[in-house]
Amino acid sequence: EAGVVQSPRYKIIEKKQPVAFWCNPISGHNTLYWYRQNLGQGPELLIRYENEEAVDDSQLPKDRFSAERLKGVDSTLKIQPAELGDSAVYLCASSLDRYRQETQYFGPGTRLLVL
Amino acid sequence: AQSVSQHNHHVILSEAASLELGCNYSYGGTVNLFWYVQYPGQHLQLLLKYFSGDPLVKGIKGFEAEFIKSKFSFNLRKPSVQWSDTAEYFCAVNAQGGKLIFGQGTELSVKP
Repeated sequence: EAGVVQSPRYKIIEKKQPVAFWCNPISGHNTLYWYRQNLGQGPELLIRYENEEAVDDSQLPKDRFSAERLKGVDSTLKIQPAELGDSAVYLCASSLDRYRQETQYFGPGTRLLVL
Repeated sequence: AQSVSQHNHHVILSEAASLELGCNYSYGGTVNLFWYVQYPGQHLQLLLKYFSGDPLVKGIKGFEAEFIKSKFSFNLRKPSVQWSDTAEYFCAVNAQGGKLIFGQGTELSVKP
């Protein structure tokens, strides 16, 4: 079974530029999560999708971050414009169903460096 | 607010030494508890999890963890570590229908 796929794996941009990350969850997983992991810290949830609906985006900085999950499968996370403090690893995870407290499976992440 | 605290930021052990990594959480209700591991250059992988039942949980690669409700703890143990256990270990709590709260992680270095 294929795992969670993310691309790109690495991205270097200058501040004020836009950037987008893509995630393809495990087939059949209804719930999709985006986390941000700063250096030396554990991941922190940015947004959670249940199918195509964002059910928890309270930690998403909405002035510059946006996300979408079209057709309840793939998802894109965008930052526009990027700031120096956005340098981090952006992780995507998926699970079968959050109501059954299913295990979350993580992708390899996208390592973003903003110069 | 919920939080997870991992006591050690960096642990250095020799092969065959015993390991115990501390994890405490703050939440008064029912919780699901996890340990994830991230080997160098790899993604986060589930090591073990506790949802209910026997508070002593066994995971992959000889790891186990014990849930002690009265202490709000979920410590990770392994009787004898190997060089291949070198990785970063994250404790996480799930108490709000899907949102995982992670600790800051413990980096384990095992010397051959």
